[in-house]
Formats: sequence, structure tokens, C-alpha cells
Amino acid sequence: SSELTQPPSVSVSPGQTARITCSGDPFPRQFAYWYQQKSGQAPILVMYKGTERPSGIPERFSGSNSGTTVALIIREVQAEDEADYYCQSTDNSGTYVIFGGGTRLTVL
Amino acid sequence: QLQLQESGPGLVKPSETLSLTCTVSGGSISGSSFYWAWIRQPPGKGLEWIGSIYYGGPTYYNPSLKSRLTMSVDTSKNQFSLEVRSVTAADTAVFYCGRFRLGLFPYFDYWGQGILVTVSS
Repeated sequence: SSELTQPPSVSVSPGQTARITCSGDPFPRQFAYWYQQKSGQAPILVMYKGTERPSGIPERFSGSNSGTTVALIIREVQAEDEADYYCQSTDNSGTYVIFGGGTRLTVL
Repeated sequence: QLQLQESGPGLVKPSETLSLTCTVSGGSISGSSFYWAWIRQPPGKGLEWIGSIYYGGPTYYNPSLKSRLTMSVDTSKNQFSLEVRSVTAADTAVFYCGRFRLGLFPYFDYWGQGILVTVSS
């Protein structure tokens, strides 16, 4: 079965750029979706179709893709961005869901 | 605004069956463009997709859990449900229900707030 690999943690200082990667064989055939989960809360979607932002998500959030690796990029990181971030994709049929292991973003 | 709310017992004994219900409000569970799904998150760990169901009945289960799962839909109550049989302490988790968009761009656009289920005697 397919797996998505994320780094367990990323740390940046306020104002810097954070890059969270996700690697796996669904890419590039399938798109990546990114969720932000703050402590004690349900996840929320912050990026879809790899590079599209839902309404309400700051422009500081963007996505990129290169072969079998996709990335969530957060420019000008703020303290409020501290959270766990999960990538998600599916198998080729679009029905079996795969999550990455999650990356904890720490704002120093 | 669509809302999802999980309900069920917060404590289940080992070897018994965990049963949860998700009530959908603000929209119909019978929409043709969506699956309805369960996701779990053990304490301190990541998200794990459990399975998805379409209102018309097709179900898709995580292969690692498939032998212990049953999902169902009750369109009259706008609810869908999950059963996990023969639970162990490893099944202790926050369980989320969610709406999963079908088609070319499949993702979860709505989530419930989650319910903690502890497996313990």
C-alpha cells in the first residue's frame, strides 16, 4: 500500500519561511491536500489540489510539487501557525485515503 | 453551514464493540458528490483513515482494519455510523467524522469536533 512520508518536526523563527515536505508514490498522479491541526482541535484544510488555498487561508500559505515530493510553504511564519500539519492523498481510484505521518511546526 | 457531530460512549471494554454515530446538519447526507468518512487519531499520534461510505451504500475500508469494521448510513436521520469489533487498548483514539469530496479532487472539507473513545476495563 502507498505511504506518505513527512518530517516529524520543523522549527522556524517568526518571520522566516517554513517548508514542510511530503513524499510518496501517489505523486504526481494524485494531488496533495494539506490540513492544519492545532492542539485539541479538529484539522482544517489549508491547501487543496496541491497549490490552491481555501477561502480564509492567508496568502502566506502556498504549495509546490516536484515529482514524488510535494511541499507546504508558509512565508512570514507567525506564532499562530504553530500546529501539526498533515498531507493527504488517495489511491488511483480516489477512494482509499492516505495521510502522511504529520509534521509539528514549532515557532521559536 | 454544514455541521457534523460525533456521538457515542467514551469508554469501551476490551473485546467489545465500539459504536459511534455522526449526525449531519445543515445539509443532506444524500448528496451525490460526497462520501462520509471516519478518521481516528490515537493520543499523541497522527491521523488514520478508517473508512468511507456513500449514501447509496458502497463502503471503502482501511485494509488494516477491514475485518473489524462495519459502516452504515441512515438517510432518514441524516446520520452515518461506525462499528469496530473486538477492540483493544490500541483502538483508544479521538474519532472524527468527516465529509469527503468525490471526484478529481478528493479531500475532507468538513470535520466533526471529534470524540475521545478509551478502551479500558
